[in-house]
Amino acid sequence: SQQGEEDPQALSIQEGENATMNCSYKTSINNLQWYRQNSGRGLVHLILIRSNEREKHSGRLRVTLDTSKKSSSLLITASRAADTASYFCATAVRGNNRLAFGKGNQVVVIP
Amino acid sequence: DTEVTQTPKHLVMGMTNKKSLKCEQHMGHRAMYWYKQKAKKPPELMFVYSYEKLSINESVPSRFSPECPNSSLLNLHLHALQPEDSALYLCASSQTGLVKGNTEAFFGQGTRLTVV
Repeated sequence: SQQGEEDPQALSIQEGENATMNCSYKTSINNLQWYRQNSGRGLVHLILIRSNEREKHSGRLRVTLDTSKKSSSLLITASRAADTASYFCATAVRGNNRLAFGKGNQVVVIP
Repeated sequence: DTEVTQTPKHLVMGMTNKKSLKCEQHMGHRAMYWYKQKAKKPPELMFVYSYEKLSINESVPSRFSPECPNSSLLNLHLHALQPEDSALYLCASSQTGLVKGNTEAFFGQGTRLTVV
């Protein structure tokens, strides 16, 4: 079953702009992770935020987590053409060893 | 070495064929996973191995048979597949369990399987 669910979104932005995407989930989680996938190949881990954290930064990435609303957001600042990809949030749920992925967001950065 | 290597990259097989997908990691990870991904969909978990023992089977049909010969290798044996099984099959590993360890998963590039 899917735990993380992004708002179904396809973003098309100009290079240099910021991209924001959201994720909602249904049950208690241990952590929430964001992954990037280029052209239907392997997924690359971007950032992990634990359930007791509210915000985390990594380079041009900023992730927030609101456990009261069961939601997360990923912000990519100063986007580049190389950021064109699908972005998935995934949740690790307490009590099992599953990483469940949400629907994903397709981001296109126009040079 | 932070790679998860999957072979083959592409596979076309008939419905009566038997084939195997292979996955290898040398990061010392003790949890390994098989995911299936259809086009424009998120990955769906199939199997989880923890310390070389099958810990999760997400009600996958028996025509898919996983095997973990040792801590570095994970196989997925395929037999009598259907055209709807065509998908990208992704292998992943993590240092420990994803929940207890608060750790990320490392993914291979996948095997694109077409069943004809």
